[in-house]
Amino acid sequence: EAQVTQNPRYLITVTGKKLTVTCSQNMNHEYMSWYRQDPGLGLRQIYYSMNVEVTDKGDVPEGYKVSRKEKRNFPLILESPSPNQTSLYFCASSPQGTGKTQYFGPGTRLLVL
Amino acid sequence: AQSVAQPEDQVNVAEGNPLTVKCTYSVSGNPYLFWYVQYPNRGLQFLLKYITGDNLVKGSYGFEAEFNKSQTSFHLKKPSALVSDSALYFCAVRDKNGANNLFFGTGTRLTVIP
Repeated sequence: EAQVTQNPRYLITVTGKKLTVTCSQNMNHEYMSWYRQDPGLGLRQIYYSMNVEVTDKGDVPEGYKVSRKEKRNFPLILESPSPNQTSLYFCASSPQGTGKTQYFGPGTRLLVL
Repeated sequence: AQSVAQPEDQVNVAEGNPLTVKCTYSVSGNPYLFWYVQYPNRGLQFLLKYITGDNLVKGSYGFEAEFNKSQTSFHLKKPSALVSDSALYFCAVRDKNGANNLFFGTGTRLTVIP
């Protein structure tokens, strides 16, 4: 089944403890992206990647890192999480090209205490 | 700069009645417009998109949307609402930063009342 998977789905952590949220897609998509969803703000893009070893900042990149060493994987790294990073995170992927449909993972709900 | 407005945070409609979820946009260049739906505890699911061609776009689950260039709108519609349509709906537009990037609206929560 074609899909985008994220792990973990739920995570509670404490301020400053490094964490990684994994994202993997099995559709051979070149493009991948991370978003955070907050009430009243919709989805905001954190980072995106047009292909392997190519990443770029979205609208809210502060406090996050990403890497794209393989085409299928695009992990999101929080080196020192803070409470304002408590949010619902989504990974998405799509084929390369204008107007291509993005496919979303199920989401990761993060609580930083 | 790209922007998307969903003027209604909440829309309530009776089951069987037509529904409309509004979206207006501002873009430089050709607009590429999308609608996604989010059911509780689920990721976003693609409903439909407008790239070019016919202004009336048909999508999944009986939804459709009309692209109106003069009013810069892309409202989502369905002739007869179902209780199962209750969800959070997002309009999105291609972002200026790249061909694949999308800029999302703040979302509209649709509640269909039995």
